[in-house]
Amino acid sequence: QKEVEQNSGPLSVPEGAIASLNCTYSDRVSQSFFWYRQYSGKSPELIMSIYSNGDKEDGRFTAQLNKASQYVSLLIRDSQPSDSATYLCAVEGNTPLVFGKGTRLSVIA
Amino acid sequence: SQTIHQWPATLVQPVGSPLSLECTVEGTSNPNLYWYRQAAGRGLQLLFYSVGIGQISSEVPQNLSASRPQDRQFILSSKKLLLSDSGFYLCAWSVRGAGGYTFGSGTRLTVV
Repeated sequence: QKEVEQNSGPLSVPEGAIASLNCTYSDRVSQSFFWYRQYSGKSPELIMSIYSNGDKEDGRFTAQLNKASQYVSLLIRDSQPSDSATYLCAVEGNTPLVFGKGTRLSVIA
Repeated sequence: SQTIHQWPATLVQPVGSPLSLECTVEGTSNPNLYWYRQAAGRGLQLLFYSVGIGQISSEVPQNLSASRPQDRQFILSSKKLLLSDSGFYLCAWSVRGAGGYTFGSGTRLTVV
C-alpha cells in the first residue's frame, strides 16, 4: 500500500512569515512529486512539481525533495491571507498519483 | 488551451438510485483520465483511470463503474447508490510524459 503522509494541521502563521509544509512517502520507486492547493469547497490546483533532489523555486513557492529520506516539502515565503487553504502532497511512481490527506494552512493577518 | 468540464456541480440522490457523472476534456488528444473521490475528512482516493478508449483500470472494487466511450469523455456510474458513496467526485486529466493532473470543478454528491 503506497502511502503519503502529511500533518493535518492546522498550521497557523502570521502574514509575511514563511510557511513550511512537509510530506513523507513510502514508495521508493516514486519519480514525480507535486503540491496542490485546495480552497474550501473547490477542486485541487497544481502549484508545484519537482522531479529531482534539491530545491525548485517558483515565485514565493519553493519545493524541496530528498529521495533518500523520502521527504518532500513546500515553503511559502511572505505568506498572505489568500494562501490560507489545504495543501495536498501527491506522489507518482508506476501508478497514478497518490495523495496525502493534506495540511490546512491558516495565514493570520 | 485545454479545459475540463464536469457536471453536475451538486447532486442529491436517494439511496438505491442510479448515478451518472460525466467529464469531458477539450483541447487535447488521447489524454489519461481519472476519477477520484474525496470523502469528508479523508484524502483523495483514486477510483478509476483510463489510458484510452474502452480501457478502464479500477482501483477500488465497489458498486461504482466507469466507461470511456470517446477519447475525451469519461463517465462514472452506479446502478444503486449507497450512503457511503457520498463525497466530492473529481475528474482529472493528464498527458503522458508530462507532469501533474488537472482537475475539473468536481461534483458534490450527497446520498440521502
